[in-house]
Amino acid sequence: GENVEQHPSTLSVQEGDSAVIKCTYSDSASNYFPWYKQELGKRPQLIIDIRSNVGEKKDQRIAVTLNKTAKHFSLHITETQPEDSAVYFCAAISNFGNEKLTFGTGTRLTIIP
Amino acid sequence: DAGVIQSPRHEVTEMGQEVTLRCKPISGHNSLFWYRQTMMRGLELLIYFNNNVPIDDSGMPEDRFSAKMPNASFSTLKIQPSEPRDSAVYFCASGETQYFGPGTRLLVL
Repeated sequence: GENVEQHPSTLSVQEGDSAVIKCTYSDSASNYFPWYKQELGKRPQLIIDIRSNVGEKKDQRIAVTLNKTAKHFSLHITETQPEDSAVYFCAAISNFGNEKLTFGTGTRLTIIP
Repeated sequence: DAGVIQSPRHEVTEMGQEVTLRCKPISGHNSLFWYRQTMMRGLELLIYFNNNVPIDDSGMPEDRFSAKMPNASFSTLKIQPSEPRDSAVYFCASGETQYFGPGTRLLVL
């Protein structure tokens, strides 16, 4: 089955700086890669996703890149703000629509004012 | 759209008691997922349904756990008998991009 590794487990960034979280996956058939943000005591929420036919996707201050050859994908947050502090999870799925997501172990991001 | 609805939001029970968690997915979503989240094990998929049919229940910890989806708008996760190690937040999610419900925080004493 799929195995997703996520690094780092914790990350502290000065407000205004950029943050990068990286994930690797094992199943070369995986073709959908979502990212979730979970604030303390709340539910995970989808913030951005990317499919295997695209190398990069942006949404305002958030971007995700995908390298299928190396089987890794990354989340980039620019101009970080205090409200970006949360736990971020990457995930991968091998057959979008009919298979389960495999989640990374999460990255606790802290934005230092 | 009310999103995914879960009940109860909090449950405190004693070891050995039966616990039933409920989920109403977003209308029109064909897939439904049950997750458990703890500090030690992170986010674990317990079971998922597609068109009301259980597709993969390999994450269900043991026979004490069971899940049903009698129709497209309702699912239950039952623990019988409950144990203290079952204490966790249980999330239900629906749809291919997995919209999560607010979760049920379960504490088994």
